[in-house]
Parts: sequence; structure tokens; C-alpha cells
Amino acid sequence: AQKITQTQPGMFVQEKEAVTLDCTYDTSDPSYGLFWYKQPSSGEMIFLIYQGSYDQQNATEGRYSLNFQKARKSANLVISASQLGDSAMYFCAMRERRSGANSKLTFGKGITLSVRP
Amino acid sequence: DAGVIQSPRHEVTEMGQEVTLRCKPISGHNSLFWYRQTMMRGLELLIYFNNNVPIDDSGMPEDRFSAKMPNASFSTLKIQPSEPRDSAVYFCASSWARGSSDTEAFFGQGTRLTVV
Repeated sequence: AQKITQTQPGMFVQEKEAVTLDCTYDTSDPSYGLFWYKQPSSGEMIFLIYQGSYDQQNATEGRYSLNFQKARKSANLVISASQLGDSAMYFCAMRERRSGANSKLTFGKGITLSVRP
Repeated sequence: DAGVIQSPRHEVTEMGQEVTLRCKPISGHNSLFWYRQTMMRGLELLIYFNNNVPIDDSGMPEDRFSAKMPNASFSTLKIQPSEPRDSAVYFCASSWARGSSDTEAFFGQGTRLTVV
């Protein structure tokens, strides 16, 4: 079964507007971390934001915020005031922390975001 | 810190040849991951190590693939013999993790492998 699900087709947003990229996850582990990465056309993987399963507040990093809904097992990325440089592939990832072992980091299929001028 | 360093950046080889990809993780990190990225399959986890020990290699496609981590500062991913379907970008990533605490994974620039 897929651990991380990103089902949106290619997303488009107008420059300076906000956009939400969806991510749902599946785990029975009470302790886990959720991550978002950006991959521009140049190919590098850039870390954006992190949310721990026990964090009381939604994570924010500059223009990035994470809409964490634990009961629904969703961790959507919100990008405010989109810029042309935000055009890229975005990946959601999860790391489960089973007791006694450090677990693997699993990625979703990714979502392509295009920002229109 | 220079970040995660992978070599080579590009590799073109003939089918049947042995290919070795190299990775130097960030100093102090104790988890190392090897991923393969293709258009069709996305970003697949091949294997990961904790404290130099392979923990989960269930993502390794077949026996032609092997990975080692002889010490905390070096890992290799070997394909022998290589096949055209192995063509992909291979990423190495490292992070620090202990108990319920961890950092994000830092990725290398990737190795673009083409098998002809």
C-alpha cells in the first residue's frame, strides 16, 4: 500500500496568488515526521518544511506553511504569494519512527507546479 | 560543510559493464539513503543505512544491485552487469536520526546514469 499519496495532476497558479498542494499519508506509527521537498528543473532536491506528528502547531517557513490535519492524515503544503521561481516538482515524504529503529524516508510521486506570470 | 557529495555527476556506460556510484554523506549524519528517480516510477528508495549498517534493502531491484557503507563517510552503489533499464538519476541522501528526533534528509546532486 502506498504510504504517501499525491494525486493532483499538474497544478497551475497565477503569480502572487496562493496555492495548496495536497498530500495524504498512511501509517500506524504514532511517531512520524512529514517533509516537503522541491525539485526544480535543474534536478536538485531542496528541503522546504518539516512537521512532526506531535507538533501542536502547523509548521511555517517563510512563504511555506503546512496544513497538518492529523485525524485526516493529511499534510498539505501551502505556498503564499507564488513566484515564478516556485515552478517545480514538489514531493511529500514521511519518516516513521518505530521504536528501536530509525526508519526509512518514503516519498510520494510528486506534483508539478507551474506559476503563470 | 560541503553537503552530500556524489560522484560521478554523469555516467554513460555500455550494457553489461559494471557501474559504481559513490557518496560522501554530511559529517555527523548517521542515516544514508540511496534513491533512484525515473519518469515512470518517480523517486524510489533502494536501500538505507543507519550507523553504517544496512537496515532495509527491499527496494533494491535485483541481485545486480549492491550497496556498501564501509565507514561513516563513504558509501557505494554498484550495478553489475548494467542494463539499459537501469538508466536513471541516482540520489544519495543523509540525515541524523536518533529515537524520536531526526533532521531532514540532505540530498546530493545526483548521478545521471545512462546505459546504452
